[in-house]
Parts: sequence; C-alpha cells; structure tokens
Amino acid sequence: GAVVSQHPSRVICKSGTSVKIECRSLDFQATTMFWYRQFPKQSLMLMATSNEGSKATYEQGVEKDKFLINHASLTLSTLTVTSAHPEDSSFYICSARDPGNYEQYFGPGTRLTVT
Amino acid sequence: AQSVTQLGSHVSVSEGALVLLRCNYSSSVPPYLFWYVQYPNQGLQLLLKYTSAATLVKGINGFEAEFKKSETSFHLTKPSAHMSDAAEYFCAVSEDSGYALNFGKGTSLLVTP
Repeated sequence: GAVVSQHPSRVICKSGTSVKIECRSLDFQATTMFWYRQFPKQSLMLMATSNEGSKATYEQGVEKDKFLINHASLTLSTLTVTSAHPEDSSFYICSARDPGNYEQYFGPGTRLTVT
Repeated sequence: AQSVTQLGSHVSVSEGALVLLRCNYSSSVPPYLFWYVQYPNQGLQLLLKYTSAATLVKGINGFEAEFKKSETSFHLTKPSAHMSDAAEYFCAVSEDSGYALNFGKGTSLLVTP
C-alpha cells in the first residue's frame, strides 16, 4: 500500500517556542491531506483539511493562527504549532488521500511534548 | 453529520475466544465505515472498510465486520483472539471515500492467556 511518513516522530520543546511537523506522501501525489490530534487515551479528532495550493480548512474550535498548515507541494504538508503550550502536548497524525483510488493513508504520528 | 459510537471502552477476552467489538453509526447518507487498529505510540492501521459493496467485509489478521443497515451497526469480529490482537481499535465513518474521518472513542482490547 501507499506510504505516508511524518517527521519528526517525537519532539520535545519548551513552552513558547514553535514546532514544525512534516507529513509526506512517499509514492503518490496528494492534493488533500488531513491533520488529526489525539490526546492520551482518547480518540482522534480532525483538526484541519489541507489542500495543495490553497488555504487549509479548519474544524470548529481549532485556532488557525496557532496551528499553521502549509500544503506547498503535492507530497508535503506541514503543521506548525506556534507558541506552543503544555496543553498542546498531543499525538499528531496526518493522512493523505491518494487521488488515484481515493484511499486515505495515515502517517505514523508525531508525539509532541511541550515542557 | 456523521458519527459512530463504540460500545465498551474496554473489552477483555481470553486467548482463543471470540472477539466482538461493537460500533453503531449515525449518518444521513450511505456511510463509508472503517475499522482501524492502533498499537501503543504508533499510527493507525486499516483493518477493513465498508464501501457499499458486500455487507460482510473481510479484513486483515482474520478480522471481519458486517454492515447491518437495519441496526445501524458495523461490529468487528474475530473467531479466535491472539495475544498480538491486544491494541486499541477505532471505528470510523466518512461520507465518501477519501473524505475526513469521524472516529469513535475507541475500544481497548485486552487478551488474557
């Protein structure tokens, strides 16, 4: 099956700093990618839909100025957590939609810890 | 709006016993339904999906699920549990293939010797 990678897999940062997470589709071009957040022992919640070449669509309650999403190419979407706070500590998972078969493939996730 | 409800946040079975994880959906359009498995600190692995073809869907690792419109259910089963099946299982729904998913709260499966 298709592969989606995320980098980094784990990151620890200090409160107030910004962190960038990359999501790449390795063997297909993804015009659409999704970003989800998963708090410990909880389900995944959709944060935003990232479309190549246009602005991301954010879900209600997600601060677009805090979670900056850039889908600059057909294989890369980035999520930048700006001015991170401890409550932003979470597991961030991306997925990419293969336009050839409309299947959605998930990345392995990024564990963010804000101290 | 679409949603799924997973009944039972924790399920414990003995090795070799039947696994049954329950999922009920709510959807105003014919749903696309999915089951994913997540091992600790890892991403999601697709077990199976229903896309309006056969109502009985077979997936990987011996899992299967049956779509029952009359019951709005999509329960996941496996005839004989293995220790390696211990993980978190998520049911999810979307309105079309490739659309964003709405996940249930998850069911943690424990398999005892």
